[in-house]
Amino acid sequence: QKEVEQNSGPLSVPEGAIASLNCTYSDRGSQSFFWYRQYSGKSPELIMFIYSNGDKEDGRFTAQLNKASQYVSLLIRDSQPSDSATYLCAAYKAAGNKLTFGGGTRVLVKP
Amino acid sequence: DAEITQSPRHKITETGRQVTLACHQTWNHNNMFWYRQDLGHGLRLIHYSYGVHDTNKGEVSDGYSVSRSNTEDLPLTLESAASSQTSVYFCASSRDRADNEQFFGPGTRLTVL
Repeated sequence: QKEVEQNSGPLSVPEGAIASLNCTYSDRGSQSFFWYRQYSGKSPELIMFIYSNGDKEDGRFTAQLNKASQYVSLLIRDSQPSDSATYLCAAYKAAGNKLTFGGGTRVLVKP
Repeated sequence: DAEITQSPRHKITETGRQVTLACHQTWNHNNMFWYRQDLGHGLRLIHYSYGVHDTNKGEVSDGYSVSRSNTEDLPLTLESAASSQTSVYFCASSRDRADNEQFFGPGTRLTVL
């Protein structure tokens, strides 16, 4: 079992709709979680992080964390074609001080 | 502006050759990381460093080595390149801990024939 798992997609979303991405993690010692966006042929860039249970909103993005169920999600509201990218979920554990990435979910926003 | 650069951006080499990929950051970050990215595997950590003269193995370190002689640079060496090491390699840096935002370089696409 991978430490951080994501559905590889592609997740196809109409423009203006909500894209919902899920991520599960196996290590209960993971303390904080990150969402990186990666455009095709480019390097990953951080869009959000969350470390407390509940929701965290930043513009059109909302990260949700449920530590009891060991999942993290990312909602993209009012999806735009420019949101078409691969979204990488990552979990951080202080013991070892390392970030573990999932395989990424490819999102396609269709006009 | 501070940045992180990688060179070369593309490299084709033959099996058995030694290859070194360069990573240079001007953020003055203590932490530097090397990842490889393959389809279906996301980013996998190869080696990382928390400061000068510090190096640590990641989850896929076999066949790779790094050295850290200054804050700015963390070169990655493939001792004897294998076809299984064909991949895209990303270098990243962060300020203090790995959960501080990691800034990624543009990547190096390596092909081993």
